[in-house]
Amino acid sequence: EAQVTQNPRYLITVTGKKLTVTCSQNMNHEYMSWYRQDPGLGLRQIYYSMNVEVTDKGDVPEGYKVSRKEKRNFPLILESPSPNQTSLYFCASSPTGLSGANVLTFGAGSRLTVL
Amino acid sequence: GQSLEQPSEVTAVEGAIVQINCTYQTSGFYGLSWYQQHDGGAPTFLSYNALDGLEETGRFSSFLSRSDSYGYLLLQELQMKDSASYFCAVRVLTGGGNKLTFGTGTQLKVEL
Repeated sequence: EAQVTQNPRYLITVTGKKLTVTCSQNMNHEYMSWYRQDPGLGLRQIYYSMNVEVTDKGDVPEGYKVSRKEKRNFPLILESPSPNQTSLYFCASSPTGLSGANVLTFGAGSRLTVL
Repeated sequence: GQSLEQPSEVTAVEGAIVQINCTYQTSGFYGLSWYQQHDGGAPTFLSYNALDGLEETGRFSSFLSRSDSYGYLLLQELQMKDSASYFCAVRVLTGGGNKLTFGTGTQLKVEL
C-alpha cells in the first residue's frame, strides 16, 4: 500500500530534550515536506525537500532541522523543544512533475506535547 | 510571500450545493489544489487546477481564474460525511524549487 509513515504518533516530552519524528514514504516520491497544524492557523510548512540532499526552509523553520540522506526518509529534528512547538505535525510527499507536484500524500500525523 | 483567504466556516443542508472560495496573492504561481480533512485525520487530496476553468471529479468540482487570483471548490449533493475542513493550497516556484502553501481552512458543517 502506498503510504507515508510517521512515528511516533503521539509524544509527550519536556523542554530541551532532543527528539526526532521519523517520516518514510514508499512511493519513490522526490518531494517531501513537514507541516505543523495549530488551531486557526491551518497547515504551515516547516521544511521541504525537492530530492536527496536538497532541503529548504518553509514558512516556520525556526527550532527545527531536517535531513534527506535517502529518498524515502525525511526526519524532523527538534534539537531543544519548547512549549510553543506543541502541535500536530504532518509529513507529506509528492512527485515533482507539473501535475503530480500538487498532489500531496500525507502521513497520519504526530501529536507532540512539550511540557 | 504567499497569502490565501478562505471563509472560516460554512454551513449547508444535506443534498444542497455549497461553494468554498479561495483568493490568493502570490508570485510564481504553479497551481491551486484542494484538500479535505476530517477531525483527527490527515488531509487528503481532492482536486487540482493549473489552468483556468473547471475540473470535475464526481460530486466535487474545482474552478480557477488565474487573472483574478481566485478559485473555488464546489460540492454537490452534500452528504453528512462531507462535514470536514477544506483547505486550498497554492504551489509556487521558489529559487530552490517549489513549495505548497495552505490556507487556514474552511470548516463545512452539513446539517439534516
